[in-house]
Amino acid sequence: KNQVEQSPQSLIILEGKNCTLQCNYTVSPFSNLRWYKQDTGRGPVSLTIMTFSENTKSNGRYTATLDADTKQSSLHITASQLSDSASYICVVRPMFSGGYNKLIFGAGTRLAVHP
Amino acid sequence: EPEVTQTPSHQVTQMGQEVILRCVPISNHLYFYWYRQILGQKVEFLVSFYNNEISEKSEIFDDQFSVERPDGSNFTLKIRSTKLEDSAMYFCASLGLAPNEQFFGPGTRLTVL
Repeated sequence: KNQVEQSPQSLIILEGKNCTLQCNYTVSPFSNLRWYKQDTGRGPVSLTIMTFSENTKSNGRYTATLDADTKQSSLHITASQLSDSASYICVVRPMFSGGYNKLIFGAGTRLAVHP
Repeated sequence: EPEVTQTPSHQVTQMGQEVILRCVPISNHLYFYWYRQILGQKVEFLVSFYNNEISEKSEIFDDQFSVERPDGSNFTLKIRSTKLEDSAMYFCASLGLAPNEQFFGPGTRLTVL
């Protein structure tokens, strides 16, 4: 069964610190892997998209890595800010989903950045 | 910057009533989606829509659900007879060709009493 698992479930860090969120997936083959940021009560917003052939992708203070052999991805947040407090969701698009981009979501990691 | 919009932001209804959730996708997008997120749970795919027909649906999307693109701009999700377990955030998304990614709306919070 296609699954996306994330850890930790929740994380508290102090402002200015770095953190790394993990994603393990069983979706295979897959077309791309995305990390989304979701603020409470809002829709997910894309941070990074990586195809199966990419190892790393950066977007400002966010850096995502992908190891397609071990089926693991991570999202590293550098110099955290209070506004980084949100859920971070790992999402995988299967290779064969009818061509209509059905996405499989992880449960997310809830990050709280404290001053 | 173009964005997906959804109305209403919050809908409260009585069990058994019909609700229609509305979405305005990004104007040049061709693929449209509905997802739901029950409080505290992961986002779940409901249905995808292309060329005026459903292209894929999940097992959640039973006969109580329907989607429609009544005109060139709106994309709606109808729940015919709501149940308590339909209470969730419902997200609309649309997909363009460049960039090839789904853009999500802000969601409609549906509360069934």
